[in-house]
Amino acid sequence: GAVVSQHPSRVICKSGTSVKIECRSLDFQATTMFWYRQFPKKSLMLMATSNEGSKATYEQGVEKDKFLINHASLTLSTLTVTSAHPEDSSFYICSAGAALAGGGETQYFGPGTRLLVL
Amino acid sequence: GNSVTQMEGPVTLSEEAFLTINCTYTATGYPSLFWYVQYPGEGLQLLLKATKADDKGSNKGFEATYRKETTSFHLEKGSVQVSDSAVYFCALSKNDMRFGAGTRLTVKP
Repeated sequence: GAVVSQHPSRVICKSGTSVKIECRSLDFQATTMFWYRQFPKKSLMLMATSNEGSKATYEQGVEKDKFLINHASLTLSTLTVTSAHPEDSSFYICSAGAALAGGGETQYFGPGTRLLVL
Repeated sequence: GNSVTQMEGPVTLSEEAFLTINCTYTATGYPSLFWYVQYPGEGLQLLLKATKADDKGSNKGFEATYRKETTSFHLEKGSVQVSDSAVYFCALSKNDMRFGAGTRLTVKP
């Protein structure tokens, strides 16, 4: 099946620094990738949709200057949390869109990146 | 807009018990419906899917039927195992993907 990787799996950083998270589709090309944030005991919140070669589309309430997304190729999207603060501590998950045999689309998810900002 | 409502947890069952996790959706047209599972410490995995009305998705003993008339996609399993303990998310896809809040299932031996 389709595999999506994320790196790093866990990162601890100081307040004010920037952190980059990579999302790769390992065995398929993904025109569209998605970035989610998952709060403890909560569902996933879509942050932005990343389209290869164009600007990301951010959901309402998500600061695009704080969460920079770059989808440089069909297999790589990056999320950079700029000037991170403790409230940015969370579990960030990416996914890659893929067509389903028989119609429709689904998303394959990466294992997530846990960010802790001190 | 499109949305998914699923049964709040947590749900605690004994091994071999019957499981139902309710999921209803609101959407225009005909979305695709999914159940994802998140095991402790891992990312989401697609459990099963259905892309049109009356389709039944099944995997690992879990089943869900796409019911257009009741806008539902309830997850069922006849006999749960300890290894089924996880968080289950119902989701729909129609232009974008919307998730339910998740239901934590704990199966005790």
